[in-house]
Amino acid sequence: DSGVTQTPKHLITATGQRVTLRCSPRSGDLSVYWYQQSLDQGLQFLIQYYNGEERAKGNILERFSAQQFPDLHSELNLSSLELGDSALYFCASSVAPTAAYEQYFGPGTRLTVT
Amino acid sequence: AQKITQTQPGMFVQEKEAVTLDCTYDTSDQSYGLFWYKQPSSGEMIFLIYQGSYDEQNATEGRYSLNFQKARKSANLVISASQLGDSAMYFCAMRELTQGGSEKLVFGKGTKLTVNP
Repeated sequence: DSGVTQTPKHLITATGQRVTLRCSPRSGDLSVYWYQQSLDQGLQFLIQYYNGEERAKGNILERFSAQQFPDLHSELNLSSLELGDSALYFCASSVAPTAAYEQYFGPGTRLTVT
Repeated sequence: AQKITQTQPGMFVQEKEAVTLDCTYDTSDQSYGLFWYKQPSSGEMIFLIYQGSYDEQNATEGRYSLNFQKARKSANLVISASQLGDSAMYFCAMRELTQGGSEKLVFGKGTKLTVNP
C-alpha cells in the first residue's frame, strides 16, 4: 500500500458526460501528479500540483482540468468525454516539488467511456 | 523522438534465475534521474529503484539493481533470483524538465516479464 488513495476505482460513463476523479496523497506529501495510461499512448504525464499551485503541465487536453485543495487532496475533472478517454488514471504523490524523488502511485481509477 | 526506449516487449525467465530488462534514454541534460516501476496485473504502479546521473555507484534495492552505463545512456534493471511474483510489466522512466522549469516523468512503453516455475 503506497499510502495514496484514489476514488472511485472504476467508473463507467457515456460520451459527452463529465466525471471527477479524486486523489489523496500520502501524509506529508505536497506534490500531486496525474497520469493517464492507455493502450495506444502508454503512460502520459498530465499535470502536477505542489502545495495547491499548478506546477507543471503535460499532455493534458483542454477538456480536462485539475486542482489541489488546501487539505492537499486533488481532483481531476474530465468533461465532454470521448471514447478515447477510456484509460487508467493514476495519481502519484511525492514529498518534493520536483521529480527528483520517487513518486508513490495510487491504485488508479479505471475510466470506461461507452 | 522517444526519450525512453525499452526494446523488449516481453521477456521470459525461469524461477530463481537472474534477468536483465533493457532501458536506453535520450537527454541532453547533465543532471537527470532514472526510475524503474513495476506494474502487476492488479494495475498499481510500484516504485522499485532510482539512479541519479551523478551517482557514482549503481543503485541497488534488495534483489533489484540498476546497471547504469552513462556513456551508453543505458539504465538496465537486473532482477536476481526471480520469483513468480515478479511477473509484471516493468517501466523505465526518466525525469525531464518541463518548459515551466519544473519536472515530470517520461515513461517507456514497458517490458512484460513472465517468470516460469
